[in-house]
Amino acid sequence: AQTVTQSQPEMSVQEAETVTLSCTYDTSENNYYLFWYKQPPSRQMILVIRQEAYKQQNATENRFSVNFQKAAKSFSLKISDSQLGDTAMYFCALGEGTNAGKSTFGDGTTLTVKP
Amino acid sequence: EPEVTQTPSHQVTQMGQEVILRCVPISNHLYFYWYRQILGQKVEFLVSFYNNEISEKSEIFDDQFSVERPDGSNFTLKIRSTKLEDSAMYFCASERLGGAGNTIYFGEGSWLTVV
Repeated sequence: AQTVTQSQPEMSVQEAETVTLSCTYDTSENNYYLFWYKQPPSRQMILVIRQEAYKQQNATENRFSVNFQKAAKSFSLKISDSQLGDTAMYFCALGEGTNAGKSTFGDGTTLTVKP
Repeated sequence: EPEVTQTPSHQVTQMGQEVILRCVPISNHLYFYWYRQILGQKVEFLVSFYNNEISEKSEIFDDQFSVERPDGSNFTLKIRSTKLEDSAMYFCASERLGGAGNTIYFGEGSWLTVV
């Protein structure tokens, strides 16, 4: 069975600084995908970034980037130039097989960006 | 930008009552999902739906739950004989094509409180 572990329940960062959220996972599949979702206080789930396991290059989306270490089964999220609007719960998720929707989520990390 | 819409946003129901949560996925999407998030806990996959039938379901999705797409636009989750532990946020999501690399679009959630 696949598992996703986020070892940091809470983190904080000063506005404009950089923060890294950790995620480790376990799967027996060779073909899988990893995601980071943001859940602001409004509770809506928003996809931040995704990474295909077969790609060696780390995914980037503007201020968000990942450090994907396949051998170590690690998938961390780096947020650069943190903004107050980045304050949210962040979930790491693992999707296997043909449906991203059947994803396993981690417990989440609550990130607070301080002014 | 197209979005997934869910109704109601919040429902309070008495234990033992039946509840129907409604979702309107994005119009050209083919895969539909329901998730549950108990307050303070991780997001949990419930069920995926494709081509008018359940494609996968989790252990949580027992006989108490059912889904259907009655009219080609709505996608509903029915919970029969609700229990206190069914209190949670229920998210609907949709995906245009199968394949774990595709983007899952989440609705804003329906908050169910069972009293």
